[in-house]
Amino acid sequence: SYVLTQPPSVSVAPGQTASITCGGNNIGSKSVHWYQQKPGQAPVLVVYDDSDRPSGIPERFSGSNSGNTATLTISRVEAGDEADFYCQVWDSSSAHVVFGGGTKLTVL
Amino acid sequence: ELQLVESGGGLIQPGGSLRLSCAASGFTVSNNYMSWVRQTPGKGLEWVSSIYGGGGTYYADSVRGRFTISRDNSKNTLYLQMNSLRVEDTAFYYCARVGGATKTDLDSWGQGTLVSVSS
Repeated sequence: SYVLTQPPSVSVAPGQTASITCGGNNIGSKSVHWYQQKPGQAPVLVVYDDSDRPSGIPERFSGSNSGNTATLTISRVEAGDEADFYCQVWDSSSAHVVFGGGTKLTVL
Repeated sequence: ELQLVESGGGLIQPGGSLRLSCAASGFTVSNNYMSWVRQTPGKGLEWVSSIYGGGGTYYADSVRGRFTISRDNSKNTLYLQMNSLRVEDTAFYYCARVGGATKTDLDSWGQGTLVSVSS
């Protein structure tokens, strides 16, 4: 089965840029989606199809995907961005939705 | 406004059954792909099952043969029938709509319902 690997945690100071990676075998050939989940809340889609943003998501959130790594980048990080972030793909070979293990973003 | 509201969770003994419901508004369930995702408290997201427009269904290996996803078009509601429940099925269960141009992302989620399996 397809596996997505994320770092357990990323820390960043306010105003700086945070990068959260998602590794997978030839992930560049798949569409990658990113979700933000704050404590006690349901996940929210923040980036879809590698780099598109749903309406209402700030431009500070962006994504890229190439080779074996997809990246979610959050510019000008704010305290309110602190949350767990998950990457996700659709594995066509198994017809399964696959999530990464999640990354806890801490704003210092 | 698009909205998903789950219900049906609760405390159940191992081996028991529960049926979760997900009432949708603002869109038509039968015209969309839909999924169930669960999350053990304090842990990550785990995909459970999906149903597609033509009615095709898919399941995670951990629940195949025990869980059944279905929908009632007249009620615009998604269901998850869970049988032979195990302690490890304890989790928050979310329903979500599959959206996007590639039909592979989960663009809207419900608030979740908690299933606790314990003796």
